[in-house]
Amino acid sequence: SAVISQKPSRDICQRGTSLTIQCQVDSQVTMMFWYRQQPGQSLTLIATANQGSEATYESGFVIDKFPISRPNLTFSTLTVSNMSPEDSSIYLCSVSGVGNTGELFFGEGSRLTVL
Amino acid sequence: DAKTTQPNSMESNEEEPVHLPCNHSTISGTDYIHWYRQLPSQGPEYVIHGLTSNVNNRMASLAIAEDRKSSTLILHRATLRDAAVYYCILRDYLGGGADGLTFGKGTHLIIQP
Repeated sequence: SAVISQKPSRDICQRGTSLTIQCQVDSQVTMMFWYRQQPGQSLTLIATANQGSEATYESGFVIDKFPISRPNLTFSTLTVSNMSPEDSSIYLCSVSGVGNTGELFFGEGSRLTVL
Repeated sequence: DAKTTQPNSMESNEEEPVHLPCNHSTISGTDYIHWYRQLPSQGPEYVIHGLTSNVNNRMASLAIAEDRKSSTLILHRATLRDAAVYYCILRDYLGGGADGLTFGKGTHLIIQP
């Protein structure tokens, strides 16, 4: 298993500002993912954080809005840039377990409210 | 990714078994069936997964239809702590674990005391 810590757990931000969310894993992992969960909705995959290279974004998500860093195998950051109230969501970090069919482990999430 | 269909919500009584259905009629031969659940104010957690045979673990059992077009997650004795949204997800093992999961709307399980 993997233990994932996210910071901050929650924050209230002003429109137009940016916030960086950190994800720390207690072991080295190959795959790290970032998800968004809008109020009352299911999870949507934002991107795959690749170690040593640019993140791979899903349709509808762009690097300018959600820049991602992955400096090593245990840490990643997601920045939500130029925030608007529509960015109010829970952002979750996830890592893949061992093997092709391994389960994914999720952090507790970072609840972001944009005023 | 192949799509899954689940009821929006289900209700059960505490200490009774719960059967959560999932339809995945377009499943491919390389898709594993995964179940996750999300407790209130928490990130999703893995429950169980299988390919063709029924699977059991400490949390639940997974019954897979012979044609693999449907599956059922079985909670043998539900407790109030099992109240959560349960997601049935297909994951192609040919991806080598490099792909994230695609979540549907899931089933909101309500447990009555």
